[in-house]
Amino acid sequence: DADVTQTPRNRITKTGKRIMLECSQTKGHDRMYWYRQDPGLGLRLIYYSFDVKDINKGEISDGYSVSRQAQAKFSLSLESAIPNQTALYFCATSALPDGRSTDTQYFGPGTRLTVL
Amino acid sequence: GEDVEQSLFLSVREGDSSVINCTYTDSSSTYLYWYKQEPGAGLQLLTYIFSNMDMKQDQRLTVLLNKKDKHLSLRIADTQTGDSAIYFCAERVSGTYKYIFGTGTRLKVLA
Repeated sequence: DADVTQTPRNRITKTGKRIMLECSQTKGHDRMYWYRQDPGLGLRLIYYSFDVKDINKGEISDGYSVSRQAQAKFSLSLESAIPNQTALYFCATSALPDGRSTDTQYFGPGTRLTVL
Repeated sequence: GEDVEQSLFLSVREGDSSVINCTYTDSSSTYLYWYKQEPGAGLQLLTYIFSNMDMKQDQRLTVLLNKKDKHLSLRIADTQTGDSAIYFCAERVSGTYKYIFGTGTRLKVLA
């Protein structure tokens, strides 16, 4: 079974609709992230959470909100979707770095969202 | 500001070596990563290198780091058709949560 799962994998919606993308992980990691991927732009960070009570904005948080329901679950919402939010969205997790290892990020398979 | 640059495309013949290059701007980066993205899939961690290392080898993969020039490369020996994918370089900015990703290099392996 995959360690980081995302649902749905694909979604087509209309402008103005509210959309929620969900992420679950079984890696036991404290840190979770939401990114979007656009062609030619790489990955850009939307929100990140270092634990259930710690949520922070990334570089492109406008138009998005998140909820960390549990250590293993981190949801991304688009309150009123617009066409330029059409993208591939990735969830990632990482462990708290210690003296022996870095907080390497592990990615889910992605959600392809199309806003018409 | 921080930036990571990669060329967009690379085409090689099966059995040849591939070299994917990356330049970064933040000299305080602690770790540098290579991820692979196959069609329809997420990013898969291939390897990473700590900033005090010059080279890391892992089977067919060789990572070279030139800190002076802020240049990172990934060499894939004996490239196979299954290596066709997009390869992302990323840097972990020291003292922050931030990962900065490059735009990705699409590797096409010709049979």
